[in-house]
Amino acid sequence: DAKTTQPNSMESNEEEPVHLPCNHSTISGTDYIHWYRQLPSQGPEYVIHGLTSNVNNRMASLAIAEDRKSSTLILHRATLRDAAVYYCILASGGSNYKLTFGKGTLLTVNP
Amino acid sequence: DTAVSQTPKYLVTQMGNDKSIKCEQNLGHDTMYWYKQDSKKFLKIMFSYNNKELIINETVPNRFSPKSPDKAHLNLHINSLELGDSAVYFCASSPHHRGQREQYFGPGTRLTVT
Repeated sequence: DAKTTQPNSMESNEEEPVHLPCNHSTISGTDYIHWYRQLPSQGPEYVIHGLTSNVNNRMASLAIAEDRKSSTLILHRATLRDAAVYYCILASGGSNYKLTFGKGTLLTVNP
Repeated sequence: DTAVSQTPKYLVTQMGNDKSIKCEQNLGHDTMYWYKQDSKKFLKIMFSYNNKELIINETVPNRFSPKSPDKAHLNLHINSLELGDSAVYFCASSPHHRGQREQYFGPGTRLTVT
């Protein structure tokens, strides 16, 4: 499985934008970039995913570099409820799809 | 309505016992998964079923036996429980078994083996 690299932790202030980076230099052409988050004592929650183009949904935006070797998850206005571990994961577009979780980035949101 | 549900939420049992965890999804998805999150918080895939057929088995001990009676259910039976089986087990589902789509996770079952 292709590997991703994320900072161990980041801090943000409430109502400010947050940019969570992810490097994935060994990404293959069929790998989708997925982002999940896990709030304390809860199951992982899907945030967003994409292949080549930038993506927006109600939770966040995903900016994908042109060479696809890195991506950034953007939370436009952080709230206290966004404090979680954020995982950047590469998932093959082929069969036998699975999510391989790394350590993720622990996001702390200050009031 | 809960999309992916698991029972029980907590399970405390002794070494050597056999226990089962149940998972149900009402999303109409074809593919279901079991993940294990250990005490160090690492999440690892254990099994994946697509339309009741096993498609991923990540070298899990054969004491763990998943069973999918239909595509909405994926149960996990564990024989001869060991201390190292203590973890949080998450069930998940996705529309199909390709990475173009997202996975939805259940709330988890915290298993404690004493």
